[in-house]
Amino acid sequence: GDSVTQMEGPVTLSEEAFLTINCTYTATGYPSLFWYVQYPGEGLQLLLKATKADDKGSNKGFEATYRKETTSFHLEKGSVQVSDSAVYFCALSKETSGSRLTFGEGTQLTVNP
Amino acid sequence: KAGVTQTPRYLIKTRGQQVTLSCSPISGHRSVSWYQQTPGQGLQFLFEYFSETQRNKGNFPGRFSGRQFSNSRSEMNVSTLELGDSALYLCASSSVTGTPLHFGNGTRLTVT
Repeated sequence: GDSVTQMEGPVTLSEEAFLTINCTYTATGYPSLFWYVQYPGEGLQLLLKATKADDKGSNKGFEATYRKETTSFHLEKGSVQVSDSAVYFCALSKETSGSRLTFGEGTQLTVNP
Repeated sequence: KAGVTQTPRYLIKTRGQQVTLSCSPISGHRSVSWYQQTPGQGLQFLFEYFSETQRNKGNFPGRFSGRQFSNSRSEMNVSTLELGDSALYLCASSSVTGTPLHFGNGTRLTVT
């Protein structure tokens, strides 16, 4: 079946450091790819998405490019802030599966001042 | 526009009991999905409802059920609770099935 694998966490960075969180997927067909973020005590918020190969999703300084050849959707940010501390989830969905999302394990990011 | 509202925020139940969780989607959204989040299993899809019909179901036992009302509000029910059902249950809505999901803050269920 479909699956999403994220880099093992947690990740701890200093403020203004460069962030990369790796995400690879296994799926048949052409899935849409997403990054969601979860702050403590809250639900998930959509951070960015890409629906086809070579699409780049971006939001709030975060970027991720849909790479079909490497089945990857790595999340990057050039300069992280303390307020970016949260858990980040990579996910995929397929047109045939409606609103069903398959999530990765999540990566806890802590940014220290 | 109000977001997805889940009630209650916290629940404590005893093994063997049953529980009902409620979700009010964003106004105008007709698709409601439910997810279970645990430290061990991560985020797992339970089911999706659209226009009062279940469209998708995840790999959970029959003790987990749900329904959707004509105003798109949804409930999920878990019967004969087990310790392993302790989790954060998240509801998400979207305008039509397949579009990006908007999540509520969840209901934290603890089974003792």
